[in-house]
Amino acid sequence: EVQLVESGGGLVQPGGSLRLSCAASAFTFSDHWMSWVRQAPGKGPEWLAIIKQDGSERYYVDSVEGRFTISRDNTRNSVSLQMNNLRADDTAIYYCARGSGWLLDRWGQGTQVTVSS
Amino acid sequence: EIVMTQFPDSLSVSLGERATINCKSSQSVLDTSYMKNDLAWYQQKPGQPPKVLVYGAFTRESGVPDRFSGSGSGTDFTLTISNLQPEDVAIYYCQQYYNSPLTFGGGTRVEIK
Repeated sequence: EVQLVESGGGLVQPGGSLRLSCAASAFTFSDHWMSWVRQAPGKGPEWLAIIKQDGSERYYVDSVEGRFTISRDNTRNSVSLQMNNLRADDTAIYYCARGSGWLLDRWGQGTQVTVSS
Repeated sequence: EIVMTQFPDSLSVSLGERATINCKSSQSVLDTSYMKNDLAWYQQKPGQPPKVLVYGAFTRESGVPDRFSGSGSGTDFTLTISNLQPEDVAIYYCQQYYNSPLTFGGGTRVEIK
């Protein structure tokens, strides 16, 4: 069964940084685009970033471009999200999601990120 | 950015009846190269991540009951839940994956009347 397990969340002060990781298993990781999506409390999902199978293409939503960086390591079957200059409105559950093309067909359980002083 | 507008915001339906959720995109999500709509429907229950129910506007994901059906093309889409069951209580989201940024509708909460 496809598994995506996020880690690295936690409490961080405004202006701080955090690196999220997602470990993938039970599928050929290098065949898939991978995305990060977040969901703030009581809100709908917000897609953040996507990376191509070989890492050669990356796309971001405007609200995180320049602050967040998506990367992947196909040798470790993992995708990461480096988050810098965090703000209170970045508080959310962060999910990694597998792409079938750009369809987000499998999601992890998420990791909580709280930005607060 | 393609804006996805869902309506209604919430829906109360009796067990065994039909629930209809609408979604409108601000521009077409029809990929004319493949003649498919890059539109998905997700179901989200409390404490869980969204789960894809329908993609390509009308193709059910494997294992999804056939009481869930999607329709529409271009900019107007519908998710229909026939014969509503207790386990269908959830929030439903439409989402376009036609271009970046991928965008979601605001969600429709479905409950039992």
